[in-house]
Amino acid sequence: EVQLLESGGGLVQPGGSLRLSCAASGFTFSSYAMSWVRQAPGKGLEWVSAISGSGGSTYYADSVKGRFTISRDNSKNTLYLQMNSLRAEDTAVYYCAKDLNDYGDYDAFDIWGQGTMVTVSS
Amino acid sequence: EIVLTQSPATLSLSPGERATLSCGASQSVSSSYLAWYQQKPGLAPRLLIYDASSRATGIPDRFSGSGSGTDFTLTISRLEPEDFAVYYCQQYGSSPPLTFGGGTKVEIK
Repeated sequence: EVQLLESGGGLVQPGGSLRLSCAASGFTFSSYAMSWVRQAPGKGLEWVSAISGSGGSTYYADSVKGRFTISRDNSKNTLYLQMNSLRAEDTAVYYCAKDLNDYGDYDAFDIWGQGTMVTVSS
Repeated sequence: EIVLTQSPATLSLSPGERATLSCGASQSVSSSYLAWYQQKPGLAPRLLIYDASSRATGIPDRFSGSGSGTDFTLTISRLEPEDFAVYYCQQYGSSPPLTFGGGTKVEIK
């Protein structure tokens, strides 16, 4: 079964850091680009960042550029999101998502994790 | 950045009725690279439609997508009780940022 499982969320103070992880199983992880998508409480979906299958190309939303870093370890089938200089507006459920196709660096997302909540508050 | 605008914000319908959801783009979406997702409270989004009109694996044929350029539509031919949810469109045809629409809530009338 194809599955994504996020971890690492929690409560952090403004200006703090957090690293999210997304463990993948059931597919050839290194063949697929992956993304992080977030959803603030009661709001819509916002794409945050994407990374190619090899990890050689990365992309970011302007709202997180320079503060967040996406990476992956294909030997561990794991995706990461390092979040620094966190702000109250970063409070959201963070989902990792798998690209539908095994080509290109961004696509529709056919598999989503269950999400992990990040709360930035003093 | 391509801005997606979904309408209406809320659609109040009864089971068995037809639902028509719209997604308008601020500029043409390349190669009709547009997807639709369904999200229920407390759950992750589920892919319904990709490439504007292709149904994802396991999606019932009462869901259909159409459109090209800047105007796209998701149609649910006959609403089932489990279809009441929020629906989002997403474009992936241009270089990032990838963008989502603001969502349409389909609620029971």
